Amino acid sequence: GEDVEQSLFLSVREGDSSVINCTYTDSSSTYLYWYKQEPGAGLQLLTYIFSNMDMKQDQRLTVLLNKKDKHLSLRIADTQTGDSAIYFCAESPGGKLIFGQGTELSVKP
Amino acid sequence: GAVVSQHPSWVICKSGTSVKIECRSLDFQATTMFWYRQFPKQSLMLMATSNEGSKATYEQGVEKDKFLINHASLTLSTLTVTSAHPEDSSFYICSANGASGLAETQYFGPGTRLLVL
Repeated sequence: GEDVEQSLFLSVREGDSSVINCTYTDSSSTYLYWYKQEPGAGLQLLTYIFSNMDMKQDQRLTVLLNKKDKHLSLRIADTQTGDSAIYFCAESPGGKLIFGQGTELSVKP
Repeated sequence: GAVVSQHPSWVICKSGTSVKIECRSLDFQATTMFWYRQFPKQSLMLMATSNEGSKATYEQGVEKDKFLINHASLTLSTLTVTSAHPEDSSFYICSANGASGLAETQYFGPGTRLLVL
């Protein structure tokens, strides 16, 4: 089946690193994704990782993929108050996007 | 980058009326568009996949007679919520696939907030 799980909340202090975790079930997803949603807005694609990769780094963002355990994580280095938002991971069976519940990241100054 | 717009951005209607939401790809052609709904503090749930010139494919549990989808051109898809009821109040988001057809080129609209009284 298709199911994506995330923890619901994460609170960090400005300047710290944030790590958001996600587990998924679909092993056929070619890509796995991280999206950011600010209040009342649509989704912004942050980054994605090809399923054959273990890690991808893009400026402050690092994605780690453990395909054996179907575990995906997003690390945000030097977290800023502007990073406060809801973060969704998504698997992509057959080109569709199946989202997790979203992790609300709160960054305290 | 690619831009997807939605209109209206919010709408309030009376129970029993129908509401049409438009999704447009502004600077690219989209053969496939997707419609999602999102309840407060919850995830996006895919409602249907809309293909230009053909019938939409609905996800399990989504009533196709209630949520009418039309994808008449490569830049426009519409979602009509027919005979809306308070339980249809939600945030509706569309997305459009870019030329590659891959999900990493799926661009999201800003969403339409529907409140049914």
